[in-house]
Amino acid sequence: DQQVKQNSPSLSVQEGRISILNCDYTNSMFDYFLWYKKYPAEGPTFLISISSIKDKNEDGRFTVFLNKSAKHLSLHIVPSQPGDSAVYFCAASEDDSGGGADGLTFGKGTHLIIQP
Amino acid sequence: DTGVSQDPRHKITKRGQNVTFRCDPISEHNRLYWYRQTLGQGPEFLTYFQNEAQLEKSRLLSDRFSAERPKGSFSTLEIQRTEQGDSAMYLCASSLAGGATEAFFGQGTRLTVV
Repeated sequence: DQQVKQNSPSLSVQEGRISILNCDYTNSMFDYFLWYKKYPAEGPTFLISISSIKDKNEDGRFTVFLNKSAKHLSLHIVPSQPGDSAVYFCAASEDDSGGGADGLTFGKGTHLIIQP
Repeated sequence: DTGVSQDPRHKITKRGQNVTFRCDPISEHNRLYWYRQTLGQGPEFLTYFQNEAQLEKSRLLSDRFSAERPKGSFSTLEIQRTEQGDSAMYLCASSLAGGATEAFFGQGTRLTVV
């Protein structure tokens, strides 16, 4: 039973355009959400997070949107750059410590490919 | 380098052998986590420490797995009598306790059991 779902295994976007990565969750107890980026042979790197009391959080080219009623969040990257090519993981936790007592629950990831 | 450090980066072992991995968290972080990641999957939570206390263990952590954080600083993860199904990337992460904060991950230890 997967509680965090990333239904697109891969996504190809042209450089300079917007990349939109989607994530759905089933556990209504989740109240803190994070996006991580992972290059091959490296650990995940934190990108951006959002608390359930917000519906949007922005950091430079990265914006995360949260729709609690739909149990859906998305990561927007604009403009997309070649260095953004990586696997992106959506993660969720049941408290706002970003991975407290039960750790983070991750999706399977979406491989983003930025084409020149 | 003040990030999370894991050692070794790669480990190849024969089935039935014991292996131990080490994680050095970011120095001011009092929470430390172990995750396992297999091909095509996201990281899966194994266990978590707050300072030296192991507060939570996933059902994924069988009796062959043991983790310690004796002085609340570095941690070790030991796998006894390794099986081929233990082959995975083992990731360590650390964070500050309390409030909205993200976990920072190390580069992982890739275990291959042959």
